[in-house]
Amino acid sequence: QVQLQESGPGLVKPSETLSLTCAVSGYSISSGYYWGWIRQPPGKGLEWIGSIYHSGSTYYNPSLKSRVTISVDTSKNQFSLKLSSVTAADTAVYYCARLSRSSGPIDYWGQGTLVTVSS
Amino acid sequence: QSALTQPASVSGSPGQSITISCTGTSSDVGGYNYVSWYQQHPGKAPKLMIYDVSKRPSGVSNRFSGSKSGNTASLTISGLQAEDEADYYCCSYAGSSTFVVFGGGTKLTVL
Repeated sequence: QVQLQESGPGLVKPSETLSLTCAVSGYSISSGYYWGWIRQPPGKGLEWIGSIYHSGSTYYNPSLKSRVTISVDTSKNQFSLKLSSVTAADTAVYYCARLSRSSGPIDYWGQGTLVTVSS
Repeated sequence: QSALTQPASVSGSPGQSITISCTGTSSDVGGYNYVSWYQQHPGKAPKLMIYDVSKRPSGVSNRFSGSKSGNTASLTISGLQAEDEADYYCCSYAGSSTFVVFGGGTKLTVL
């Protein structure tokens, strides 16, 4: 059974960089599929952040592209998200996920982790 | 404002059928057969219910079905059950520039 688990600070200061890691178990990232991040502000809808293939090819939401970096570490079977220059608008539950293609569909999700941007 | 338009809420009684619409443009929903639907219960991660417009993942009830006409995709749930009460989100591929767009979500209430 594929399982994904997000980890990282739950509180980030404005203007700093948000960093999250997603550990994957039950499947080797090197075997295929795409791996991505989706976020959901409290009480609001879903927003796609971006995705990555095990080769390192990345696909980003154009509205976030200038601030987002997604990377993969196949040796640790995990992938990561960095979002720079955060503001309160970046406060959200961040989900990591497995995608069948670079743009989805998303067949496995992590449980999500709330990241609050506040001083 | 979400790229795809969904009704904020729909409701139905147990046993009835409901349909949730998802309206986009020819650049997303209408341009590709890559529409997916997700169910989300409060405090939980979303769950894939339909992909590629009308395909059902293994384990998803056949009470859930998807379709598309022009720029509007639809999710139909037949034989409504109390456990179907949740938020539903549509999602579409939107080309190599925009990539992926979600709808704003629809809250389904089972009366």
